[in-house]
Amino acid sequence: EVQLVQSGAEVKKPGESLKISCKGSGYSFTSYWIGWVRQMPGKGLEWMGIIYPGDSDTRYSPSFQGQVTISADKSISTAYLQWSSLKASDTAMYYCVRRFGSGWYFDYWGQGTLVTVSS
Amino acid sequence: QSALTQPASVSGSPGQSITISCTGTSSDVGGYNYVSWYQQHPGKAPKLMIYEVSNRPSGVSNRFSGSKSGNTASLTISGLQAEDEADYYCSSYTSSSTHVVFGGGTKLTVL
Repeated sequence: EVQLVQSGAEVKKPGESLKISCKGSGYSFTSYWIGWVRQMPGKGLEWMGIIYPGDSDTRYSPSFQGQVTISADKSISTAYLQWSSLKASDTAMYYCVRRFGSGWYFDYWGQGTLVTVSS
Repeated sequence: QSALTQPASVSGSPGQSITISCTGTSSDVGGYNYVSWYQQHPGKAPKLMIYEVSNRPSGVSNRFSGSKSGNTASLTISGLQAEDEADYYCSSYTSSSTHVVFGGGTKLTVL
């Protein structure tokens, strides 16, 4: 069974760093792109970027380029999303998603990681 | 402002059919058959309902169907059921450096 299991909720202060994770199982982790999607409270879905764990090829949405870092450790089938200096506006639910093959759609979603940034 | 335009809300009675539109441009919806639709219940992760305009993943009810005409894609739900009440998002590949764009979402209310 394909699963994407994300790390737990985080509460951080502005300026702190954070790295959240997404562990894939039940499939060949290095053969599928993993993307990240942001959902701010009460709002819609926003595309952040995507990584191919096989060779770490990474593409960012211009809105998030320079704001976050997407990485992966294929040895433990885990993708990451990290911030070096959080802002209150980073408060949101973050989902990791699996891109199916060469298509541009996402067949599996993680359960989401809620990040709260507050002083 | 979202790249793809969806109505904020739609409603229908049990048994009826509803259609949710998703309007983009020739750089996304109109240019590629990579439109997908996701259902999100409150407090849950989104779920893929339609991919590549009109294909249903295994396990998704055949009451859900998708289509596209020009720069507008549509999701139709027939035989509306209470469990269909949720938010629905369209998505498309885009030739811009973003690669992926989502619609703003549509809240479906089953009356």
